[in-house]
Amino acid sequence: AQTVTQSQPEMSVQEAETVTLSCTYDTSENNYYLFWYKQPPSRQMILVIRQEAYKQQNATENRFSVNFQKAAKSFSLKISDSQLGDTAMYFCAFMNYGGSQGNLIFGKGTKLSVKP
Amino acid sequence: DTAVSQTPKYLVTQMGNDKSIKCEQNLGHDTMYWYKQDSKKFLKIMFSYNNKELIINETVPNRFSPKSPDKAHLNLHINSLELGDSAVYFCASSGQLAGGETQYFGPGTRLLVL
Repeated sequence: AQTVTQSQPEMSVQEAETVTLSCTYDTSENNYYLFWYKQPPSRQMILVIRQEAYKQQNATENRFSVNFQKAAKSFSLKISDSQLGDTAMYFCAFMNYGGSQGNLIFGKGTKLSVKP
Repeated sequence: DTAVSQTPKYLVTQMGNDKSIKCEQNLGHDTMYWYKQDSKKFLKIMFSYNNKELIINETVPNRFSPKSPDKAHLNLHINSLELGDSAVYFCASSGQLAGGETQYFGPGTRLLVL
């Protein structure tokens, strides 16, 4: 079974600085997808970024980028120029490609606090 | 317009009661899901429906029953509520079951069983 591990329960960063959140996963599959979701205090789950395993190029979305290391099964999220609104829980998630399994498998989350 | 909506947002009830949570999506998606987030914020899949057929049931007690009157709706009915059912329940939807489609989440329903 696939598992997702986020080893940092909590992190903090100063506004305007850069922070990296770690995520590792375990799978025997070759084709899959990886996601980062953000959950602010409002509780809403918001997609931050996604990565297809077959793509070597790291995904980027404005201030958010990933470092995808397939061989190491690592998928870290880098947030540049951190803003107060980035304060949230961040969840790394895995999804198999194809088959009958379409659900997301989540890590336990990292609580990020951006300090002014 | 809200893409995925859930009602109610908060639900407080007594042990032993039966309750339902409604979910609707206006994205035209074929697949809908229910996730449970426990008190430690851990999210886990409960069910998914694809074209009105149950695809996944992850060892959820049979007190929980998803019902889909059409592909835009997936309701969650819970019988004989227990203290351990207290959690936040999220509905989500995606265009396809497989293929890495992004799942869009509703705002969640916080259930408190007293």
